[in-house]
Amino acid sequence: KNEVEQSPQNLTAQEGEFITINCSYSVGISALHWLQQHPGGGIVSLFMLSSGKKKHGRLIATINIQEKHSSLHITASHPRDSAVYICALSGSARQLTFGSGTQLTVLP
Amino acid sequence: EAGVAQSPRYKIIEKRQSVAFWCNPISGHATLYWYQQILGQGPKLLIQFQNNGVVDDSQLPKDRFSAERLKGVDSTLKIQPAKLEDSAVYLCASSLDPSGGYEQYFGPGTRLTVT
Repeated sequence: KNEVEQSPQNLTAQEGEFITINCSYSVGISALHWLQQHPGGGIVSLFMLSSGKKKHGRLIATINIQEKHSSLHITASHPRDSAVYICALSGSARQLTFGSGTQLTVLP
Repeated sequence: EAGVAQSPRYKIIEKRQSVAFWCNPISGHATLYWYQQILGQGPKLLIQFQNNGVVDDSQLPKDRFSAERLKGVDSTLKIQPAKLEDSAVYLCASSLDPSGGYEQYFGPGTRLTVT
């Protein structure tokens, strides 16, 4: 079993829809990261969180440490949000363990 | 603040050839990471440097891959000889601190195609 599981693997939405991407993990962590990767390869860090909730613009990330679960929400989605969203864990190994990503496509 | 720089952005080589990638981390970032990302998968750590010392290279295929970080700043990753399965995006990242408590900042990546 992978240490970090993301769902769904692929998600297609219409512009304006509310989107949720989920991440479940099975190990102790010091922080959980949400990353965005556009075609072409570059990765941008969206959030790093160890408890509660963070918000940046239309993006909201939550984490429940007891349930080992995090969600990334996008409100009022837009075609430019189309990207791969990756959940990654940082723990005692001082390295990131990456999920396999969720491919999001937002249609106009 | 300048981000993590990588070059080249794209490289196409034939199998058994050699290739080198370069990374310049964010100024002041002590920790540097090289990742390999095969299409459809999450990044896999190849090597982690703390300043100019290696922290972890357990997943680096040392028979063909090598990396160095001279003077604790820039880093190069080399593949010699390349195989078809080395086709991937090679990502460099840096962070202030290796403890996991600081974010990693990623470069744009180098897309390698081995034919």
